[in-house]
Amino acid sequence: QKEVEQDPGPLSVPEGAIVSLNCTYSNSAFQYFMWYRQYSRKGPELLMYTYSSGNKEDGRFTAQVDKSSKYISLFIRDSQPSDSATYLCAMRGSDGGATNKLIFGTGTLLAVQP
Amino acid sequence: EAQVTQNPRYLITVTGKKLTVTCSQNMNHEYMSWYRQDPGLGLRQIYYSMNVEVTDKGDVPEGYKVSRKEKRNFPLILESPSPNQTSLYFCASRLGGPYNEQFFGPGTRLTVL
Repeated sequence: QKEVEQDPGPLSVPEGAIVSLNCTYSNSAFQYFMWYRQYSRKGPELLMYTYSSGNKEDGRFTAQVDKSSKYISLFIRDSQPSDSATYLCAMRGSDGGATNKLIFGTGTLLAVQP
Repeated sequence: EAQVTQNPRYLITVTGKKLTVTCSQNMNHEYMSWYRQDPGLGLRQIYYSMNVEVTDKGDVPEGYKVSRKEKRNFPLILESPSPNQTSLYFCASRLGGPYNEQFFGPGTRLTVL
């Protein structure tokens, strides 16, 4: 079983729709949770960053973390064609260990149709 | 502009011909790493470096080498490339500590024939 599971999609929605992207994980030591956005032929860019459980909102984007269920979500409101990209979840622990290594999901490909 | 640069962006080579992919960052970051990205497997860490002259293996280090002689540079070396190393490679950097954003380079698409 992978440490982080993410539905690869593709997910196709009409412009203006609310998009929900999700990841589940198995390691209860994860404390930092991130969402990266990756456009075609580009490197991933950090979109949202949350620590422990709770919600974080930034414009049209909301990140949710439910540590009791080991489940994280990214919601996109009023989705736009420019949101079409691959979305990767990532997470790491806080044990101050040698790497604080980021563990990535495989990514969900999102297409927002105009 | 704060950035991570990689060169080359695209490379087609043949089995066994040594190659180096360069990576450079201008943000004075201590931590640098290399990933490969493959369909269905996501991003997997190859090697990482916590500072100059400090490197260690990631999850898939076989067939790769790295060096960190200067803080800003972290080249990835394939001594004898094989077709299973055909992939999209990303270099990344960040400040030390867990709550720091990781910045990625634009990627290098490598094809080994």
